[in-house]
Amino acid sequence: SQKIEQNSEALNIQEGKTATLTCNYTNYSPAYLQWYRQDPGRGPVFLLLIRENEKEKRKERLKVTFDTTLKQSLFHITASQPADSATYLCALLTSGGYQKVTFGTGTKLQVIP
Amino acid sequence: NAGVTQTPKFQVLKTGQSMTLQCAQDMNHNSMYWYRQDPGMGLRLIYYSASEGTTDKGEVPNGYNVSRLNKREFSLRLESAAPSQTSVYFCASRADRADGELFFGEGSRLTVL
Repeated sequence: SQKIEQNSEALNIQEGKTATLTCNYTNYSPAYLQWYRQDPGRGPVFLLLIRENEKEKRKERLKVTFDTTLKQSLFHITASQPADSATYLCALLTSGGYQKVTFGTGTKLQVIP
Repeated sequence: NAGVTQTPKFQVLKTGQSMTLQCAQDMNHNSMYWYRQDPGMGLRLIYYSASEGTTDKGEVPNGYNVSRLNKREFSLRLESAAPSQTSVYFCASRADRADGELFFGEGSRLTVL
């Protein structure tokens, strides 16, 4: 069956360090992978998109990698700050049924001052 | 610019009661979605609509019905609420590109007693 897993439910990290979040999938062939941020009591907000033919994308302190052989995406936040504390969600879009957007379970990141 | 607006924000129902969650978007998007979010389960797709007049089942459609009233509005109906439907419900619309990102509402917290 199709499954999207994010490595851990919660991740604590010291301020200034690099946070690395993992998104693994099985039985999918995603054309696009998106990352979202969700703050408590709010809806998710889009951060970054990476396409299946791209290895890496960057946006300010954020970096996303996409390895279709390993079926994995890594999401990095460099020089992490307490304001980065939130839940981060990955989402997959397949080329055939791209209207259907499927989310992972999310990782709650806590950046400790 | 309101984006995606959901109503109500909070609702308490008794088992067996019915209710409709309303969603409207002002971005002229074709695709709209309903998700539910439960602790440890991430966002699970209930129904989606690729365009006005079309709807499709997602991962967890049982117990729900939807109506795409027009391009702006996409409602979710619980005909006979059950305690298992206690959740936070999110509506989203999606930018009209194959890799388009989702824009979420603020969520509707539903409790079924």
